[in-house]
Amino acid sequence: QKEVEQNSGPLSVPEGAIASLNCTYSDRGSQSFFWYRQYSGKSPELIMSIYSNGDKEDGRFTAQLNKASQYVSLLIRDSQPSDSATYLCAVNIRRGSTLGRLYFGRGTQLTVWP
Amino acid sequence: DVKVTQSSRYLVKRTGEKVFLECVQDMDHENMFWYRQDPGLGLRLIYFSYDVKMKEKGDIPEGYSVSREKKERFSLILESASTNQTSMYLCASSLSTGRYEQYFGPGTRLTVT
Repeated sequence: QKEVEQNSGPLSVPEGAIASLNCTYSDRGSQSFFWYRQYSGKSPELIMSIYSNGDKEDGRFTAQLNKASQYVSLLIRDSQPSDSATYLCAVNIRRGSTLGRLYFGRGTQLTVWP
Repeated sequence: DVKVTQSSRYLVKRTGEKVFLECVQDMDHENMFWYRQDPGLGLRLIYFSYDVKMKEKGDIPEGYSVSREKKERFSLILESASTNQTSMYLCASSLSTGRYEQYFGPGTRLTVT
């Protein structure tokens, strides 16, 4: 089982809709969870972080964490064409000397069409 | 703002050449990382460093080495470049305490011919 798994997509939604991106992780001891956005040909950009169960909102973005189910999601409300990108889920899985390392999912490609 | 810079945006090298990729961060981060990213394979960790002169292998260290002589600088070295090392190389940095969020440089797209 991979440490972090995401729906590979691609996901396509119309402008104004809610886009829902999902991620599961293998280690129950994980403490830190991140969402990165990566535009084609660019590097990943940190857009959301979440550390405790529940929802965290930042503008049109909401991250949701359920540690019991080992599940983290990202909701994008009022999706815009500029949200079209690949979204990477990353988890800090603590293993001995690898403290500080993040494990990344392979990403979900999102397309928002006008 | 955290700033991570990489020495080259695009690089073309010949098979067998020794290649140096440089990464510099200005936020006094202890941790630095080198990844490569290929279509369909996602981000793969090559090497990371938790401190000056300290390094640890990631998931795909073969064919690579690293150097960290100063806290702000982390270099990736391809001792003898091969065509299968054509890729996007990404450097990242993070603090050693707290939440471990990583910040990425702009990337170097390396082509080995």
